[in-house]
Amino acid sequence: AQKITQTQPGMFVQEKEAVTLDCTYDTSDQSYGLFWYKQPSSGEMIFLIYQGSYDEQNATEGRYSLNFQKARKSANLVISASQLGDSAMYFCAITGFQKLVFGTGTRLLVSP
Amino acid sequence: EAQVTQNPRYLITVTGKKLTVTCSQNMNHEYMSWYRQDPGLGLRQIYYSMNVEVTDKGDVPEGYKVSRKEKRNFPLILESPSPNQTSLYFCASSLSRTSGNYEQYFGPGTRLTVT
Repeated sequence: AQKITQTQPGMFVQEKEAVTLDCTYDTSDQSYGLFWYKQPSSGEMIFLIYQGSYDEQNATEGRYSLNFQKARKSANLVISASQLGDSAMYFCAITGFQKLVFGTGTRLLVSP
Repeated sequence: EAQVTQNPRYLITVTGKKLTVTCSQNMNHEYMSWYRQDPGLGLRQIYYSMNVEVTDKGDVPEGYKVSRKEKRNFPLILESPSPNQTSLYFCASSLSRTSGNYEQYFGPGTRLTVT
């Protein structure tokens, strides 16, 4: 079975600073995918970034990058130049059998 | 616009009163799924469907039913809702797993309260 661990219940960062949200995973699959989703207070799940297990380069999408360390089974999300609108819950997820398996999330608060 | 829609977005109901939450996608996706989100537990899969007339249980199927009579629709049915089904529900869809594209597109969520 797959498992995602997000050990930071809450994180604080000042506007314009970078922040790293931690994610470690466990899976016995050889091929898998890792996702990060953002959930603002309005509740919707917004896809941020995807990393395939065989991708040689770390994924990047604008201000988001995924620090993928396969040997350590970690897939940390890095947000550069934080903005007030980045305040939200962030979920890491991994592909499982016919589903995504989610972590419990990290709440990020960006202060002015 | 490619999207997954859910209705209703908010619902307050009483124990035992049957309800249906609709889900529809316009991307011709084969795969659809329902999740529930509870504080401290993340999202957990309720049911999924690989294609029309093909459905299967996820991790927390008790108390729920689904059907997939059309490719675009995947309703979630609560025959006799109970207070422990109070939750935020998400419908999701994606291309088939065999395509190698695993991204799931989520609907806006349905916040259900059962009193």
